[in-house]
Amino acid sequence: DVKVTQSSRYLVKRTGEKVFLECVQDMDHENMFWYRQDPGLGLRLIYFSYDVKMKEKGDIPEGYSVSREKKERFSLILESASTNQTSMYLCASSLAGSNYGYTFGSGTRLTVV
Amino acid sequence: DQQVKQNSPSLSVQEGRISILNCDYTNSMFDYFLWYKKYPAEGPTFLISISSIKDKNEDGRFTVFLNKSAKHLSLHIVPSQPGDSAVYFCAASALIQGGSEKLVFGKGTKLTVNP
Repeated sequence: DVKVTQSSRYLVKRTGEKVFLECVQDMDHENMFWYRQDPGLGLRLIYFSYDVKMKEKGDIPEGYSVSREKKERFSLILESASTNQTSMYLCASSLAGSNYGYTFGSGTRLTVV
Repeated sequence: DQQVKQNSPSLSVQEGRISILNCDYTNSMFDYFLWYKKYPAEGPTFLISISSIKDKNEDGRFTVFLNKSAKHLSLHIVPSQPGDSAVYFCAASALIQGGSEKLVFGKGTKLTVNP
């Protein structure tokens, strides 16, 4: 059963903390993505990566960074967490050059207090 | 500028009836369209897709229709069941650099199927 695994389902962090959200996929997919989902705003792309050590900004990259040191792992970093980063974070992966869409992880519900 | 629009934030239907979810897009370069279903506290799961060379794709109770001239697609669920209650996201794909794709999502429609 192929998977995208996000390390935490729920996280509570304090304002100003550095936060790491981890995502691992076992499908040997080249592409990986980080989204956040907020009510009324849908899925918004934060960052994505088409290859190891490669990253591209999505639509809302401010306040975030990413790391992809290995093909299977894509980390989202909140450099200094703020309350407006309270959200559901979703990781996804896909096969390069395919139209099979994305496989999503179960999400991490992050609350910044 | 929203390239994929789902203008109905919510939809409520009776069990056994048809659910129709709509989606409009603006970018004529999109060549593949997908629907995802999302339950609370879970990640979206792929439901059904359609290529731009087709106008209809059917999978069991789910059918997606594509009208390229109108830049419109719709998802029909017949008959609707209470377990179909979820948020449905429309997504459009375009191949970009290196042969990879990027999906653009609509804001979602929350479907409630009442018993």
